[in-house]
Amino acid sequence: SQTIHQWPATLVQPVGSPLSLECTVEGTSNPNLYWYRQAAGRGLQLLFYSVGIGQISSEVPQNLSASRPQDRQFILSSKKLLLSDSGFYLCAWSVYREAFFGQGTRLTVV
Amino acid sequence: KNEVEQSPQNLTAQEGEFITINCSYSVGISALHWLQQHPGGGIVSLFMLSSGKKKHGRLIATINIQEKHSSLHITASHPRDSAVYICAGDYGGSQGNLIFGKGTKLSVKP
Repeated sequence: SQTIHQWPATLVQPVGSPLSLECTVEGTSNPNLYWYRQAAGRGLQLLFYSVGIGQISSEVPQNLSASRPQDRQFILSSKKLLLSDSGFYLCAWSVYREAFFGQGTRLTVV
Repeated sequence: KNEVEQSPQNLTAQEGEFITINCSYSVGISALHWLQQHPGGGIVSLFMLSSGKKKHGRLIATINIQEKHSSLHITASHPRDSAVYICAGDYGGSQGNLIFGKGTKLSVKP
């Protein structure tokens, strides 16, 4: 069966520290992978999507980057976190219109 | 521009009431998703619709392609139904991009 793992669930990081959020999927191959962010009181906004290994597209300019080192692994990173990076980050994948979502990571930058 | 609009933004109901949440979308989508987000942040996929109607327990989702409108209904609502309900349009294409509505926060009082 198809599953998606995202970790950690919560994270508190100081301003200026690095970030690495990881998402892995099981039960499928060559999925489209997505990172979304939900700022307080707002809807989910697409940050990055990937249609294959090493292929990353960015929807908004920002302090974050994404990488896809393996077919079923998607990583969200930052070299130096800003206060404005706080929010809820969600990994998702889709194939043939089916979409699956990770449990999300609540990031607080202090 | 691809957009997804939800209403109402907030909804309070008494236990047992019939609840309707609405979603409208622009242009054409290949599928529409209804998602449930609990206070902890995790997101669960409830339905994926491309036409007609689907039912799962007390939840019913409908979509009208001509009117570009979908509804999520909850029958005999219960306090455990309290959550944020999100609709997302799948605009397909090679990116399989999901556009999310801002969500409807439902609170069911006992």
